[in-house]
Amino acid sequence: GENVEQHPSTLSVQEGDSAVIKCTYSDSASNYFPWYKQELGKGPQLIIDIRSNVGEKKDQRIAVTLNKTAKHFSLHITETQPEDSAVYFCAARLSGNTPLVFGKGTRLSVIA
Amino acid sequence: NAGVTQTPKFQVLKTGQSMTLQCAQDMNHNSMYWYRQDPGMGLRLIYYSASEGTTDKGEVPNGYNVSRLNKREFSLRLESAAPSQTSVYFCASRATEQPQHFGDGTRLSIL
Repeated sequence: GENVEQHPSTLSVQEGDSAVIKCTYSDSASNYFPWYKQELGKGPQLIIDIRSNVGEKKDQRIAVTLNKTAKHFSLHITETQPEDSAVYFCAARLSGNTPLVFGKGTRLSVIA
Repeated sequence: NAGVTQTPKFQVLKTGQSMTLQCAQDMNHNSMYWYRQDPGMGLRLIYYSASEGTTDKGEVPNGYNVSRLNKREFSLRLESAAPSQTSVYFCASRATEQPQHFGDGTRLSIL
């Protein structure tokens, strides 16, 4: 089955700097790659996603890139703010009703 | 906009007690999921229901049972709770080929 590895497990950046979180997946048939943000005491919330027919997607300060050949995808957050501090999860999925497989998460701390 | 609603939010059980965690969604989603979240382990799938009337095991199903009561509701049952089941449990749902939405979790402690 699918396996998703996520790095780093913790990341500290200064406010205003960029943050990058990387994930690799094992099943070349996976075609959907979402990123979730989880704040303390809350459930994960989708922040951006990308499908395998697209190489990059942006939404304001966040972007996701996908390299299908290398089977890895990354989350980029620019101009980080203290409210970006949270745990971020990547995930991968085959098409249809197959479940998402999640990475183990990255705890991002943005230092003011 | 309720989305995915989980009850209860917190629960403390004694070893050997039974309990059912409830989940309901109001988005007319076909698929529903139960995950557990433990420190350093990410989100691990316990059971899922791809559509009303079907359920399937995920990565960590032992010690749990599920019921897809109708399209809206998907419950998770612990028949004989064990300390290893202390965790935060999340329910999620989605429509086919659409993003997955999570509830805010049930924090379960087993003494």
